[in-house]
Amino acid sequence: DAKTTQPPSMDCAEGRAANLPCNHSTISGNEYVYWYRQIHSQGPQYIIHGLKNNETNEMASLIITEDRKSSTLILPHATLRDTAVYYCIVWNYGQNFVFGPGTRLSVLP
Amino acid sequence: NAGVTQTPKFRILKIGQSMTLQCTQDMNHNYMYWYRQDPGMGLKLIYYSVGAGITDKGEVPNGYNVSRSTTEDFPLRLELAAPSQTSVYFCASSYSGGANTDTQYFGPGTRLTVL
Repeated sequence: DAKTTQPPSMDCAEGRAANLPCNHSTISGNEYVYWYRQIHSQGPQYIIHGLKNNETNEMASLIITEDRKSSTLILPHATLRDTAVYYCIVWNYGQNFVFGPGTRLSVLP
Repeated sequence: NAGVTQTPKFRILKIGQSMTLQCTQDMNHNYMYWYRQDPGMGLKLIYYSVGAGITDKGEVPNGYNVSRSTTEDFPLRLELAAPSQTSVYFCASSYSGGANTDTQYFGPGTRLTVL
């Protein structure tokens, strides 16, 4: 059974922030939230991960709600090259990554 | 570092043929994985390995075999190709130190068609 739920698709205007939501209502205390993306037919690319605190790196920010039942990946200034499928994954050591269908983000000029 | 490399990039097989998909990583990662991705779907784990000489089944292992004789290489073998194995195959590796991270690095994929 899928541990995460994401909208199948979203649009975003170039230069604006893209906010991609993910629901993981059954997440347990030791499970991390990971985000990957897949541009066209390339291999998935790691973006960011977190446990309960908000995280930021050079690619994106990850906002996790206090109850940890949902999270949002934020691309602060989306470009056309950010058009991709974005995967939200819940993971803990000893588990395997489970990639669902993800959210197809289209950045529009 | 080349990261994770896969060969070939494309291959067409006839039903019943066999082939080996090659995967090599130069990051000294202990964990390696094989996934398949069907059109419009997410990735599904076929096999994984936590170190040389150790392999285990993932979600969809039927029709495939793996071996891990070195840290760097993790080949995937298809013995009797079937049309249902038409897919894109991705290899990945990670350094799973058992702590809080298992960031996987993916190769560019092998696109396989079985006719």
